[in-house]
Amino acid sequence: DAGVIQSPRHEVTEMGQEVTLRCKPISGHNSLFWYRQTMMRGLELLIYFNNNVPIDDSGMPEDRFSAKMPNASFSTLKIQPSEPRDSAVYFCASSLVGGGETQYFGPGTRLLVL
Amino acid sequence: AQSVTQLDSQVPVFEEAPVELRCNYSSSVSVYLFWYVQYPNQGLQLLLKYLSGSTLVKGINGFEAEFNKSQTSFHLRKPSVHISDTAEYFCAVITGGQNFVFGPGTRLSVLP
Repeated sequence: DAGVIQSPRHEVTEMGQEVTLRCKPISGHNSLFWYRQTMMRGLELLIYFNNNVPIDDSGMPEDRFSAKMPNASFSTLKIQPSEPRDSAVYFCASSLVGGGETQYFGPGTRLLVL
Repeated sequence: AQSVTQLDSQVPVFEEAPVELRCNYSSSVSVYLFWYVQYPNQGLQLLLKYLSGSTLVKGINGFEAEFNKSQTSFHLRKPSVHISDTAEYFCAVITGGQNFVFGPGTRLSVLP
């Protein structure tokens, strides 16, 4: 199994630009999570999906952030427009509800907004 | 709402010494508990988890943790650490739903 796949692994962009982060969950998993990790705030849950439906987006910082899951094998997290304070590592994780609840994390996308 | 406390932000320890990383949670209902490890520039990996049954849980890399309901704790232990155990360790709790709550993390530094 390839595990959770995220792309790109690194992204450097300028303030005001649109950023799109991508995630492919583990095949067969039915829940997907987006996290943000910073030194100041630690690991924060941004949003999670169950069967492609957003269940809890209370962690999304503001309207500049949006996430979609058009099918069971793909999700995107978009930031538009990006700001320097969005610089962080963004992780995607997936799990199988009723399958031990373990979340499996991708390698993360390291985002730097200049 | 549940919360997770990891009192020690950093734990330095010499190689081959024992280590305990503390985790306490607040919840009045049944919980599932997890320990994850994050090596530098990598994602989080599951070390072990408690869902039910025996309160002593064994995980990968020689780690174990004990669930103590009365003390609402889930401390992580290893009898003899290696340099390769240097990493950040996160305790997490989930009660129903799928919403993990992660602790702030403990940075374990194993010294030669």
